[in-house]
This record gives sequence, C-alpha cells and structure tokens, in this order.
Amino acid sequence: QKEVEQDPGPLSVPEGAIVSLNCTYSNSAFQYFMWYRQYSRKGPELLMYTYSSGNKEDGRFTAQVDKSSKYISLFIRDSQPSDSATYLCAMSAGTTSGTYKYIFGTGTRLKVLA
Amino acid sequence: EAGVAQSPRYKIIEKRQSVAFWCNPISGHATLYWYQQILGQGPKLLIQFQNNGVVDDSQLPKDRFSAERLKGVDSTLKIQPAKLEDSAVYLCASSLRGDSPLHFGNGTRLTVT
Repeated sequence: QKEVEQDPGPLSVPEGAIVSLNCTYSNSAFQYFMWYRQYSRKGPELLMYTYSSGNKEDGRFTAQVDKSSKYISLFIRDSQPSDSATYLCAMSAGTTSGTYKYIFGTGTRLKVLA
Repeated sequence: EAGVAQSPRYKIIEKRQSVAFWCNPISGHATLYWYQQILGQGPKLLIQFQNNGVVDDSQLPKDRFSAERLKGVDSTLKIQPAKLEDSAVYLCASSLRGDSPLHFGNGTRLTVT
C-alpha cells in the first residue's frame, strides 16, 4: 500500500464548476499537508499549507484535512480554464534524525472547459 | 523574493554519457532537495541536504548518481553513466527549515536516448 493515494484523473469540468480533489494516506505520523499546482513544463507551485484538521480558505481555494479519516481535500470554487493543471497533494512527517520527510501523491490532472 | 533557479532547462544525452544539473535555492533556505519526476507520477525524493550536509540519500542510486551542496548554497546533481530509465524531470526544491513547505524550481527535463 502506498503511503499517499491520489486519483490520477483526468478530471474534466465545465467552467464555473466546483472541483473536489482528494488524497488518502496511511501514515498517521503525517503532520503537515500541502497542495501544489503544476502547469505543463513547470515546477510545482505551493497553493495551500495546513497543519491541523479542519478547513483553510484562500480565495477560491479551500483545503480540508480530516486526520481521523486520513483524508485531505482541495476544493476549487468557480473554476476557470486557467485552473487546468495537475494538482499534487503532499504530506510531511518528522523523522528520528530531526528532519522532515515529504511524500507526494501522483497528481490529479484537471481540465476546466470554457 | 527570487525563486529556485535551475539549469539547464532541457538536456538530451545518449545512454552511458554523463550529465550534471545545477540548482540555486532561495536565499536563506537551509534545506535543499532533489526530486525525480517521471511523466505521470509525483516527485520522488533523491537526496535532501540540511545546509551542506546530507540528511537523506536513501533513494539515490549511488552507483550512478551523486550530488553535492557547496558552502550550503548551490547544489549540483550528476548522473554517470546515464540509463534510458533516467529520462525524467529533475526538480530542485528548497525550504526555510525542515518543517517549512517546499518551493520548487522549474526543473531540468532529461531525455536519454
């Protein structure tokens, strides 16, 4: 079983739709949760960074963390064609050496149709 | 704030040749990472530096890959000799400290023929 599972998609939605992207994880030691957006031929760009269970909102984006279910989500409201990209979830946990290890999902390809 | 800089952007080599990638992290970021991203997959960690010391290289194929971070700033990743399966995007990332989110460069796309 992978530590982080993410549906690769592709996911196609009409412009203006609400998009829901999800990841599940198996390691209860994960403490920090992130969502990255990656456009074609670009590096991943940090969208959201959360620590605790609950919701965090930033503009049209809402990140949700449910540690009891080991489940995180990213919601995009009023989706735009410019949101078309691959969305990567990422999680990190401390290690015995005092550093942090980051694990990424495989990414979900999103296409927003005009 | 300037982002993570990587060069070259693209590289095409034949198998068994060598190649090197360069990364300049965000100023003041102590932690530097090299990731390999194969098409359709998420980034996979190759090596992590804290200042100029290696903290995790457990997934680095040490028989062919090497990396160094001189003076705790710039870093280079080398592959020698390259194999076909090394074709991927090599991403460099940095973070202010270990528990801070990662900031990525745009990567080097390597094609091995």
